[in-house]
Parts: sequence; structure tokens; C-alpha cells
Amino acid sequence: GDSVTQMEGPVTLSEEAFLTINCTYTATGYPSLFWYVQYPGEGLQLLLKATKADDKGSNKGFEATYRKETTSFHLEKGSVQVSDSAVYFCALSDGGGSNYKLTFGKGTLLTVNP
Amino acid sequence: GAVVSQHPSWVICKSGTSVKIECRSLDFQATTMFWYRQFPKQSLMLMATSNEGSKATYEQGVEKDKFLINHASLTLSTLTVTSAHPEDSSFYICSASWGAGELFFGEGSRLTVL
Repeated sequence: GDSVTQMEGPVTLSEEAFLTINCTYTATGYPSLFWYVQYPGEGLQLLLKATKADDKGSNKGFEATYRKETTSFHLEKGSVQVSDSAVYFCALSDGGGSNYKLTFGKGTLLTVNP
Repeated sequence: GAVVSQHPSWVICKSGTSVKIECRSLDFQATTMFWYRQFPKQSLMLMATSNEGSKATYEQGVEKDKFLINHASLTLSTLTVTSAHPEDSSFYICSASWGAGELFFGEGSRLTVL
């Protein structure tokens, strides 16, 4: 079945450091790929997504590129801020129409210190 | 963005009792709702998919009689954990979709069974 493997945390960085959180997947077919973020005390929010190979999703300074050849969707940000501290989940969908099911990675806790 | 709210956010109950968790879409009509379970340091595991007015579709290994899901209206789905036991203690998260392909997540409900 489908699965998502993401970098285990926790990850602790200083403000303005470069961030990479690795994510690889296994899936049949052509899934869509997502990064979700969960801030303390809040629900998961969609951070960015990519629906086909070589697409780059970006939002709030975060980027991730859908790499079919390496089955990866690594999350990057050039300069993190304290406000980026959260849990980040990589996920894929089975592509089934508009009401898709998501398969999640385990989540990576990011802490950014001032 | 759209808002999904869960209630209660935290519940403690005695073993053998039943607990109901509500998931409401506050500003949109949710044609489909999903229920997930999350163990500490684990990914979100999809439990079931519910479409308004029809029976929920449960994932393999999820007991239908244990986890009763009702989606009686376009803004409300409920998860009832029947005859709860300590092993049912977990973080339960719902998400809702209105058909445009994006999911909106609730804040989660932490269940502790004594």
C-alpha cells in the first residue's frame, strides 16, 4: 500500500537557519503530495502541495518539489523564523477525485530558537 | 480558510463508558468527513470516511461496532467510542471536505480512558 517516510525529529534550529525536512513516498499510480503544518493547539493546515512530477509547491517561504525519479518531496526554507516552530507532516493522496484519502508521515517537530 | 471545530478537545472517561466526539464544519458544508487516530510520535491513521447521509466506510482493521460514526448533516459528524478501554486512549482528529479537493482539519480531541 501507499506509505510516507519523513525525517524523524525533533529538529532544532536557530533563527535564519536553512531548513530541510526529508520526505519520501511509495505509491501506486500518480499521487498528489502535500505538506501540512500543525501549530501548537491548532488543527493541521495545508502548507503546500504538488499534483504532478516536477511541480514545485511553495507558500510562506517554504518550497517542495515533486521528484518522481527519487520519489521524494523534501520541504525546504531558506531562513526559518521562531514562528515556524510547529509539527510538519508530509502526506500523499491516492488521487481519487475530489474527496481523496490522505496517507501521512509521522510528523517532524521543528523548534526554532531566537 | 474554512474552519472545522472538534468538541471536546480533551476528555477523560472510565473504562466501559462511551464517549462521543463531535466534528463541525463552521462555515461550509462538508460533503465528506474523515476520522483519524494518532498515537504519540506516529502518523495519523485514517479510521473511516463518512459521506453525509450514508454509512461510513471503515479502513481495514477498524472495528465498526467500536467506533460508531454518524454524519447526519452537512456540518456535523460524530465519532462515538463505545465501551471505551485504556487501549482506546489516543488523539482523534477529523477533517472535512466540500468537494473542491482541499481538506480542513479540526484541532483534535484527546481521549484518555482510565
